[in-house]
Amino acid sequence: GAVVSQHPSWVICKSGTSVKIECRSLDFQATTMFWYRQFPKQSLMLMATSNEGSKATYEQGVEKDKFLINHASLTLSTLTVTSAHPEDSSFYICSASDGGAGNTIYFGEGSWLTVV
Amino acid sequence: GIQVEQSPPDLILQEGANSTLRCNFSDSVNNLQWFHQNPWGQLINLFYIPSGTKQNGRLSATTVATERYSLLYISSSQTTDSGVYFCAVEHDMRFGAGTRLTVKP
Repeated sequence: GAVVSQHPSWVICKSGTSVKIECRSLDFQATTMFWYRQFPKQSLMLMATSNEGSKATYEQGVEKDKFLINHASLTLSTLTVTSAHPEDSSFYICSASDGGAGNTIYFGEGSWLTVV
Repeated sequence: GIQVEQSPPDLILQEGANSTLRCNFSDSVNNLQWFHQNPWGQLINLFYIPSGTKQNGRLSATTVATERYSLLYISSSQTTDSGVYFCAVEHDMRFGAGTRLTVKP
């Protein structure tokens, strides 16, 4: 079946630095990918829709200058958390659709970000 | 936007028991999926089920699109079923708050 991979799985960074998370569709092309964040014991909240070759669409309340999204190819989207702060510590997860029958959405393994 | 509500928020079962999880949504949907999130955060696809009924082993799901709800059935529960169960709708996957299931041995 379709596979979506994220890297890194775990990352610790210092306050004020930037960190990049990659989301790859391994065996299919994804013109659209989605980024979510999840705080402990809460649900997943959609942050933005990543469109290949164009600007991402951000959900209300998500700072586009802080969470930079780049979707440079049909198999890769990146999320960069800029000038990270401890409150950015969270679980970040991406998803993509293979566009096949059923239009099933597949999720990456997620990335745990801790800002110290 | 579309609202997704799940119930119950928490569920504790004894191993071997059956359970039903519910997902209500506020508008018609073209995509509805059930997921199990394991303790490491990974989301496991259970069902793509915008309508109708599907079964996979001890799990089955039914979506009644006209009445805007979906049910996930877990039979003969096992401790490995523990975790959070989410339903999500539409192409960009709007999630409910989840049901936290604990199965005790």
